[in-house]
Amino acid sequence: EPEVTQTPSHQVTQMGQEVILRCVPISNHLYFYWYRQILGQKVEFLVSFYNNEISEKSEIFDDQFSVERPDGSNFTLKIRSTKLEDSAMYFCASSEVRLTNEKLFFGSGTQLSVL
Amino acid sequence: RKEVEQDPGPFNVPEGATVAFNCTYSNSASQSFFWYRQDCRKEPKLLMSVYSSGNEDGRFTAQLNRASQYISLLIRDSKLSDSATYLCVGYGGSQGNLIFGKGTKLSVKP
Repeated sequence: EPEVTQTPSHQVTQMGQEVILRCVPISNHLYFYWYRQILGQKVEFLVSFYNNEISEKSEIFDDQFSVERPDGSNFTLKIRSTKLEDSAMYFCASSEVRLTNEKLFFGSGTQLSVL
Repeated sequence: RKEVEQDPGPFNVPEGATVAFNCTYSNSASQSFFWYRQDCRKEPKLLMSVYSSGNEDGRFTAQLNRASQYISLLIRDSKLSDSATYLCVGYGGSQGNLIFGKGTKLSVKP
């Protein structure tokens, strides 16, 4: 089965630093997403991306966050000036079409620890 | 605000048992629902979609009751490998995103 790949699997950073989380969605997919899960909490939607622009974003996704598709394969999440509460597992996902009943493929996640 | 609520468990059952999970949702406009499975510190994986007519996939049966805004998952003849957290998920509609419940933890014992 095709996979969404994320790097790194673990990222440790100091508070106030910038981090970039990287994802390679499935090659023929058109919609890309970032979700996060704070330890012991729900998986939460951050942002969806289509046709090189953000299509939806949650209230969590404020000016501290940005997404980019710098080339034909990568999809990145940048977190500026990280805070302790940004510590979470960040999941990238992709789907072939706009999500309704279509299957959403998740990557294995990047565990971000902000110290 | 759209929410999906689940009993967090844990449900501790012996192998071979039948176990049922329930979930309620607050937004009647949600059109699509899913059950995902999440192993410890892993990504969520789609288990099955949920339809009003009910659907079955092997040992798993899902039901949706729109009038009561209630979703269920039944697991028959549970296996050790079924041990995981089961996430009830609704489609956020125009927001183009999934609304996850906090999950129900299942532990199947020998």
